[in-house]
Amino acid sequence: GAVVSQHPSWVICKSGTSVKIECRSLDFQATTMFWYRQFPKQSLMLMATSNEGSKATYEQGVEKDKFLINHASLTLSTLTVTSAHPEDSSFYICSARDSLNLLKGSPLHFGNGTRLTVT
Amino acid sequence: DAKTTQPPSMDCAEGRAANLPCNHSTISGNEYVYWYRQIHSQGPQYIIHGLKNNETNEMASLIITEDRKSSTLILPHATLRDTAVYYCIVRVDSGSARQLTFGSGTQLTVLP
Repeated sequence: GAVVSQHPSWVICKSGTSVKIECRSLDFQATTMFWYRQFPKQSLMLMATSNEGSKATYEQGVEKDKFLINHASLTLSTLTVTSAHPEDSSFYICSARDSLNLLKGSPLHFGNGTRLTVT
Repeated sequence: DAKTTQPPSMDCAEGRAANLPCNHSTISGNEYVYWYRQIHSQGPQYIIHGLKNNETNEMASLIITEDRKSSTLILPHATLRDTAVYYCIVRVDSGSARQLTFGSGTQLTVLP
């Protein structure tokens, strides 16, 4: 089945530093990937849509200059949290769908998430 | 995408069938019903999806009512590892990649 790999699975960083999270589709190509954020005891909230070869689109209230997204290839998207602060501590999850297999209803697949803790 | 309503929590005895309901009374004809689950501190896991017909795979069965206004996810023999939050999501499939919008889901607890 389709596998989405995220790295790292957890990271602790100091306030003011930047952290990069990678999302890879291992056995399929994805022209579009999605980045979600999940705070404790809450549901997943979409942050942005990552588009291969073009700019990402951000949901309302998500700062594009703080959450930098790069989707340089058909199998890799990265999310960089710049100048991280404790309030950015959260669970970040990416997802993707096979671009070559857009059969009716084919599902999105999710990575295992990255737990970011900013101290 | 149509809104869904799920009970916030359910318990199920280990080895018994877990039946998780979902109401999607405003679903339109081209919207699919998807089920995902999220085990604590992991990413969501795809379970099953359907449009009109009932579906079954190695994980679960999906029963969609004839009017498509509700559905039930059935885990035939629940195990402790099935304890998770289960999300029912309705979404139009346009042939392009679109995001999923997650609600609150149902916390299923499988009891020993």
